[in-house]
Amino acid sequence: DAKTTQPNSMESNEEEPVHLPCNHSTISGTDYIHWYRQLPSQGPEYVIHGLTSNVNNRMASLAIAEDRKSSTLILHRATLRDAAVYYCILSPGNTGKLIFGQGTTLQVKP
Amino acid sequence: GAVVSQHPSWVICKSGTSVKIECRSLDFQATTMFWYRQFPKQSLMLMATSNEGSKATYEQGVEKDKFLINHASLTLSTLTVTSAHPEDSSFYICSARAGRLGHYNEQFFGPGTRLTVL
Repeated sequence: DAKTTQPNSMESNEEEPVHLPCNHSTISGTDYIHWYRQLPSQGPEYVIHGLTSNVNNRMASLAIAEDRKSSTLILHRATLRDAAVYYCILSPGNTGKLIFGQGTTLQVKP
Repeated sequence: GAVVSQHPSWVICKSGTSVKIECRSLDFQATTMFWYRQFPKQSLMLMATSNEGSKATYEQGVEKDKFLINHASLTLSTLTVTSAHPEDSSFYICSARAGRLGHYNEQFFGPGTRLTVL
């Protein structure tokens, strides 16, 4: 399974944009890039996913490098409720398996 | 989004007993369900993949005779921890995916079940 590398933790101020990086240099052509987040003692929550093109939804934007070896999750205006562990995951398109790494713990300061 | 429930949300049992955890997709049919385990301050670890009507596929290192998975319908999967021991104490989370194999679909996660074995 292809691996992702994320910073252990990041801090942001409320109302400011947050850019969460992810490196995945061993990504294969059929791997989708997924982002999930998890609040303490809860199950993960889907954030966004993409394959090659940048993606936007109501929660966030996903910017994918042209060579697909890295991606960035963008939260446009961080709120206190966005404080969570964010996981960047590569998933083969035909299995749907998600292999979670350690993720990035995002702290949002008021 | 789609809702996945788990029951119970927490359970305490004595060592040597078996515990069953249910995972239900409430408003969609889940062709595939996944079971994860998460220890404190660690990431989720995929235990097994369960397709409706067929045997579960276990990840390497997960004992299939200890963690029995049944996916009898398109809305229900169960995980039974047999002869539980204190080291099995963990947060067990399921997820469900709709759609046909070969198509990507996001996974919807349950709220998790906290198992404590005394």
